[in-house]
Amino acid sequence: KQEVTQIPAALSVPEGENLVLNCSFTDSAIYNLQWFRQDPGKGLTSLLLIQSSQREQTSGRLNASLDKSSGRSTLYIAASQPGDSATYLCAVTQGGSEKLVFGKGTKLTVNP
Amino acid sequence: DAEITQSPRHKITETGRQVTLACHQTWNHNNMFWYRQDLGHGLRLIHYSYGVQDTNKGEVSDGYSVSRSNTEDLPLTLESAASSQTSVYFCASSESTGTIYNEQFFGPGTRLTVL
Repeated sequence: KQEVTQIPAALSVPEGENLVLNCSFTDSAIYNLQWFRQDPGKGLTSLLLIQSSQREQTSGRLNASLDKSSGRSTLYIAASQPGDSATYLCAVTQGGSEKLVFGKGTKLTVNP
Repeated sequence: DAEITQSPRHKITETGRQVTLACHQTWNHNNMFWYRQDLGHGLRLIHYSYGVQDTNKGEVSDGYSVSRSNTEDLPLTLESAASSQTSVYFCASSESTGTIYNEQFFGPGTRLTVL
């Protein structure tokens, strides 16, 4: 059974700092990995999708990498801002299924 | 703009009542999903559908049912609501293109309280 782990569960940084959020998964036979952002009381906003054949994806100040063989992904946020404060979730899909398996998230606080 | 909506956004009901949560998407996506989000458990899949008349059980399907009569809608029914079903429910959709699994888009959620 696929398990997705995100460490740390919470992270607090000063504004302007570059930071890395980690995601690991137990079964490397994934089709893709998706990073989401969730603000308190809100739905999930898709940030980046990495297909299993890709190594990384970039969107603005965000860069996500994928190492399937080691079962790891990282989300790099450059020059963090208070508006980046949210919970970040990663999720994977297995081959043969489009079901997402989620980690429990990392709650990020960026202090002004 | 295409979107995915859920209604109601908040619902309080009593144990034993039947409850239906609505999900409507205008993306024209084939795939639709229902998840629940609970503290300590994260998001877990309840049911999903790959197209009209197709429905499948997810990880936590007991006590829930869905039906897919058209592309746009996947209502989630709690047959007899239980306090353990108090949760936030999210609907999502995605489009399949051959062997490429595309990103899932999520609705704003429904907060359900069962008293």
